[in-house]
Amino acid sequence: DAGVIQSPRHEVTEMGQEVTLRCKPISGHDYLFWYRQTMMRGLELLIYFNNNVPIDDSGMPEDRFSAKMPNASFSTLKIQPSEPRDSAVYFCASSHGGPGVHHEQYFGPGTRLTVT
Amino acid sequence: GQQVMQIPQYQHVQEGEDFTTYCNSSTTLSNIQWYKQRPGGHPVFLIQLVKSGEVKKQKRLTFQFGEAKKNSSLHITATQTTDVGTYFCAGGYSTLTFGKGTMLLVSP
Repeated sequence: DAGVIQSPRHEVTEMGQEVTLRCKPISGHDYLFWYRQTMMRGLELLIYFNNNVPIDDSGMPEDRFSAKMPNASFSTLKIQPSEPRDSAVYFCASSHGGPGVHHEQYFGPGTRLTVT
Repeated sequence: GQQVMQIPQYQHVQEGEDFTTYCNSSTTLSNIQWYKQRPGGHPVFLIQLVKSGEVKKQKRLTFQFGEAKKNSSLHITATQTTDVGTYFCAGGYSTLTFGKGTMLLVSP
C-alpha cells in the first residue's frame, strides 16, 4: 500500500489567498484525521471523519477553516482567506477502527504551508 | 479539556546512554499510544498500551502504563544515533490528545 498521500508537500501563498490541502487515506480505513503541527502548539487535532462524516470539528480554529470528505478515498482542508499565523505543517492521518480502544493512526508526509 | 503533558521537552545524550520520557494526563486514559517523528518526517506509530500497569518491550525500548492509567513512560536503553527524533505520547477516549513531545538528540 502507498500509505496516506498528501498534496501538495509544500505550499507558499500570500495572505488572503485560498489554500486547499488534499489527502488520500489508506484504502479500507474508516477514520480520517486532520492535524496541524507548530513549534508553539505541538500537534493539534483539527477535525476527524468516520465513514466520510465529520464527527468532531471542535479543533478547527475558526470559520476560515473548512474540511470535506466527499468519498472514502479523498478529503480536503481549505483555508480561506489564509493568514500568516496559519503557517504550519498539516498532517492527514487515517486509521481502521472505532472509538474506545484506539487503533494506530497512519500519518501522511504532511503539507508544509507558509503564508507570507 | 483533557491535557497530556510530556517531560522533558528536550534531551541531549551521548550515544550509549539511556533515555526516558514521561507522559502525564489530567484524566484517566482508556489507552496510550507512542509515536516517533524523525526530523522533517511524520509521526510513526510505535506501540499501544491498554491495561493498567502494562509493560511492553521493543528491543531497546520499554514502555510502561501506570497503574492509575494516568501516566506512561518510554525508556530507551543504550541510545543509538538512529534513535534521534521526537517521541510523542497520545491518549484519550473518543479522540487522541497528543503531548508536545520530547525531542531526543544523540551525539556519537
